[in-house]
Amino acid sequence: GAVVSQHPSRVICKSGTSVKIECRSLDFQATTMFWYRQFPKQSLMLMATSNEGSKATYEQGVEKDKFLINHASLTLSTLTVTSAHPEDSSFYICSATPGQLVNQPQHFGDGTRLSIL
Amino acid sequence: DAKTTQPPSMDCAEGRAANLPCNHSTISGNEYVYWYRQIHSQGPQYIIHGLKNNETNEMASLIITEDRKSSTLILPHATLRDTAVYYCIVRDYNAGNMLTFGGGTRLMVKP
Repeated sequence: GAVVSQHPSRVICKSGTSVKIECRSLDFQATTMFWYRQFPKQSLMLMATSNEGSKATYEQGVEKDKFLINHASLTLSTLTVTSAHPEDSSFYICSATPGQLVNQPQHFGDGTRLSIL
Repeated sequence: DAKTTQPPSMDCAEGRAANLPCNHSTISGNEYVYWYRQIHSQGPQYIIHGLKNNETNEMASLIITEDRKSSTLILPHATLRDTAVYYCIVRDYNAGNMLTFGGGTRLMVKP
């Protein structure tokens, strides 16, 4: 089945550090990937849509200069949290859809738990 | 995408069938019903999806009412490892692939 891999699974770092999270589709190509954020005891919230070869589309309220997204190939999207602060601590999850059929389900990575001290 | 309503929590005895309801009374003709689950500290896992007909796979069955305003996910023999938050999502296949997650149902399978 379709596999999405996320790395790292956990990051603990000091305030002001920039953190890069990778999302890879292992056995399929994905022109579009999605980044979600989940705070404790809450549901997933879509942050942005990552488009291969073009700029990402951000949801309202998500700062594009703080959450840099790069989708340089059909199997890799990266999310960089720049100058991270404690309020950025969260569970970040990516997803991708294999194939071109419109009703194909999304497949999710296992998430990255980011803790900013 | 249409909004869904799910009970916030449910309990189920191990080995029994778990029936998780979802209301989507404003669903439109282009919208599929998807079910995902999220086990603690993991990414969501796809379970099943359907448009009009009932569907079954190795994980679960999806029953969609004839008017499509509600659906039920059935786990035929729940195990302790099925304890998770279950999300019912309806998505317009013409509106892109992003998913909008609601609160879901926290299913607790008890021994």
